[in-house]
Amino acid sequence: GAVVSQHPSRVICKSGTSVKIECRSLDFQATTMFWYRQFPKQSLMLMATSNEGSKATYEQGVEKDKFLINHASLTLSTLTVTSAHPEDSSFYICSALDRGKNIQYFGAGTRLSVL
Amino acid sequence: GNSVTQMEGPVTLSEEAFLTINCTYTATGYPSLFWYVQYPGEGLQLLLKATKADDKGSNKGFEATYRKETTSFHLEKGSVQVSDSAVYFCALGPQGSGGYNKLIFGAGTRLAVHP
Repeated sequence: GAVVSQHPSRVICKSGTSVKIECRSLDFQATTMFWYRQFPKQSLMLMATSNEGSKATYEQGVEKDKFLINHASLTLSTLTVTSAHPEDSSFYICSALDRGKNIQYFGAGTRLSVL
Repeated sequence: GNSVTQMEGPVTLSEEAFLTINCTYTATGYPSLFWYVQYPGEGLQLLLKATKADDKGSNKGFEATYRKETTSFHLEKGSVQVSDSAVYFCALGPQGSGGYNKLIFGAGTRLAVHP
């Protein structure tokens, strides 16, 4: 079964609203989680590295104030897309690093559509 | 910078056909290389990996050999099954990243296998 749960799987929202996406590790504690974004027919692009108990590390070109990441516990990281606009519509995927096994487990992804 | 290029899909095969999905990369040093598979409605799963030149990763009948001279990591399977239908992602873990951190993905190749 899935070891990383991502919720919701699909969300449709109005422009200007905020959307929160959750990523949970089910069978292990994850001090490090990752957030990716995927455009149609393009690569997964790493947006940020989420570290439990500290600030996320964002990749170059990713707006910190637009994509808020909170990793408040060892099993949960959240990505909030603030004041969403149509250009934020995309497929967002999280992963959690199991350091004991040195394996990155992925969630099933969230498809965000901003109207 | 580091990048991964894989062949565009979809790839459509009959059951028991031979599969090749090409993947080439650009990177400095000695990256680790991975193939991930995503079945419908599920998260990405690690299929196989190779961490140094000439290594061969294998799993579930799939194989890929790390070729530094051609900067390639092509995925092969001798006889595909309908259950292999999925999207396959080639990925690179930059040298010094610990292998599983900060993965750089190709765009993905959709494989459809028909009975």
